[in-house]
Amino acid sequence: AQSVTQPDIHITVSEGASLELRCNYSYGATPYLFWYVQSPGQGLQLLLKYFSGDTLVQGIKGFEAEFKRSQSSFNLRKPSVHWSDAAEYFCAVGASGGYQKVTFGIGTKLQVIP
Amino acid sequence: EAGVTQFPSHSVIEKGQTVTLRCDPISGHDNLYWYRRVMGKEIKFLLHFVKESKQDESGMPNNRFLAERTGGTYSTLKVQPAELEDSGVYFCASSQTWETSPLHFGNGTRLTVT
Repeated sequence: AQSVTQPDIHITVSEGASLELRCNYSYGATPYLFWYVQSPGQGLQLLLKYFSGDTLVQGIKGFEAEFKRSQSSFNLRKPSVHWSDAAEYFCAVGASGGYQKVTFGIGTKLQVIP
Repeated sequence: EAGVTQFPSHSVIEKGQTVTLRCDPISGHDNLYWYRRVMGKEIKFLLHFVKESKQDESGMPNNRFLAERTGGTYSTLKVQPAELEDSGVYFCASSQTWETSPLHFGNGTRLTVT
């Protein structure tokens, strides 16, 4: 069965600082990997996804993530955090096979301080 | 295009009552999913429709939950009778047909059972 671990429940960074959110997954084959963000009162918005090909994936809002098969990781990064990035971030893994029964991590809450 | 719409945004009911949640997917999206997040836990898959057919309902907690998608358009999720442990945020998502099409999530319905 697939699973996702997000080891950091809460992270606080200063505005303008760099950010890395960790994600490790467990899946028997090549996974489909996602990062979603949920701002307060909003639904989940897709930041980026990895299906195949280039292991460095660019997403919206200046985010990127790197797929490392050897480490079973898909960490999310941003070089300079803005106050509007404060939200909850979810890493997810999807099974191939015709639809997306996605398994989510527990989420990381990001706080941005001035 | 209009996004995934969920109604109501909040619902507070007493234990033993019935609640019906509604989801309107993006027009033309054959795939519709229900997910749930219990406080402090991961977002969990409940079930998946392809048009009006249930493709996978392996995540449904028990027979107090009934999901329908008549006509392959909007979907309802009924909880009857509701229990305290049913409290959480219920998310609906939709996607297009091909395997790598992303999930588009609604804002969720926050259900509180007292």
